[in-house]
Amino acid sequence: GAGVSQTPSNKVTEKGKYVELRCDPISGHTALYWYRQSLGQGPEFLIYFQGTGAADDSGLPNDRFFAVRPEGSVSTLKIQRTERGDSAVYLCASSLVLSGTQYEQYFGPGTRLTVT
Amino acid sequence: DAKTTQPPSMDCAEGRAANLPCNHSTISGNEYVYWYRQIHSQGPQYIIHGLKNNETNEMASLIITEDRKSSTLILPHATLRDTAVYYCIVTGGSQGNLIFGKGTKLSVKP
Repeated sequence: GAGVSQTPSNKVTEKGKYVELRCDPISGHTALYWYRQSLGQGPEFLIYFQGTGAADDSGLPNDRFFAVRPEGSVSTLKIQRTERGDSAVYLCASSLVLSGTQYEQYFGPGTRLTVT
Repeated sequence: DAKTTQPPSMDCAEGRAANLPCNHSTISGNEYVYWYRQIHSQGPQYIIHGLKNNETNEMASLIITEDRKSSTLILPHATLRDTAVYYCIVTGGSQGNLIFGKGTKLSVKP
């Protein structure tokens, strides 16, 4: 079946601009996660959705970062006033949740964001 | 900070077993050990997980010590396509986010 998809695969933007990154999770997965991965590092958690609501946004670095999941499926990560330090690969993952138990996360290929 | 400790790199000959160690001495009774891997330029891929019993699936085996303070991921017959960064992660069953460390970079050589 279809896996997690992310668009665009690459995004180059100028410092100060606004960007949106999209994630399409696996159908039926109620949990959705965003991570950020800098070169040579492991992925770093940003935010986790259970359904439409953000269950944990403790990883968002500052108020320039915001994410939504209005219908409980597709999610958009929004970054305002981008800075060069925001350059990274942004990964999305989804998982099944049954009876309060989280199952393994399936990751998308990521969006490589470059801020010039 | 990650709750696990892994060697930064390992080499393995093609066709041989790759044994990747992980220390998680502060693991709690309700926390699972998960293994993911990340092949270059791809998203992480789930491999296997366990609580206290050894586990095996089509990709790998997971051996957890009796005190649960360490574990070993075993790829029984490594191939060149198994070259990747392998992450050992400890997480509770209801916890959403995964905390990744730097993992072990496994290089499988012909």
